[in-house]
Amino acid sequence: GNSVTQMEGPVTLSEEAFLTINCTYTATGYPSLFWYVQYPGEGLQLLLKATKADDKGSNKGFEATYRKETTSFHLEKGSVQVSDSAVYFCALSDNTGGFKTIFGAGTRLFVKA
Amino acid sequence: DGGITQSPKYLFRKEGQNVTLSCEQNLNHDAMYWYRQDPGQGLRLIYYSQIVNDFQKGDIAEGYSVSREKKESFPLTVTSAQKNPTAFYLCASSKSTGTNEKLFFGSGTQLSVL
Repeated sequence: GNSVTQMEGPVTLSEEAFLTINCTYTATGYPSLFWYVQYPGEGLQLLLKATKADDKGSNKGFEATYRKETTSFHLEKGSVQVSDSAVYFCALSDNTGGFKTIFGAGTRLFVKA
Repeated sequence: DGGITQSPKYLFRKEGQNVTLSCEQNLNHDAMYWYRQDPGQGLRLIYYSQIVNDFQKGDIAEGYSVSREKKESFPLTVTSAQKNPTAFYLCASSKSTGTNEKLFFGSGTQLSVL
């Protein structure tokens, strides 16, 4: 079945450092891919998405490119801020066997001033 | 402002008790979902509903029940059959169940066992 694998956290960075959070997926169809972010005590909110191969999603300085050949959707940001500290979830959705959004386990990011 | 409201924020359940978590949305979305979040395990789908008066089981439906009598409301009951209910519960909605649709989430309910 479909699945999403993310790098384990926590990831600890200093302010202005470069961020990469790896995400790979397994899917039988042609999924859409998402990154969601969760701040402490809150629900998730969409950060960015890509709906087909080679699409790049971007928002608030974060980027991710849909790579079908490597089944990956890695999240990157050139210069992180303390306010980026949160949990980041990679997710996919397709309609194979009924609609579902499947989430990775999440990666916690701490950014130090 | 449009959004999803979950209540209560914190809930405590006694042994053998059923408890109901509320989820209301004013986004006019057709689809609604319940997810369970456990530390280090990401989100797992409990139930989802594509239209009023219809719902389907997700991956971990045992010990839970739902209803969808109104478009705006999708309450989740955690029954006494759910032996490990302590978790953070998230309700979500989307315009439809298309693969490109993003999910909108509520702020969650933390359920604990007394």
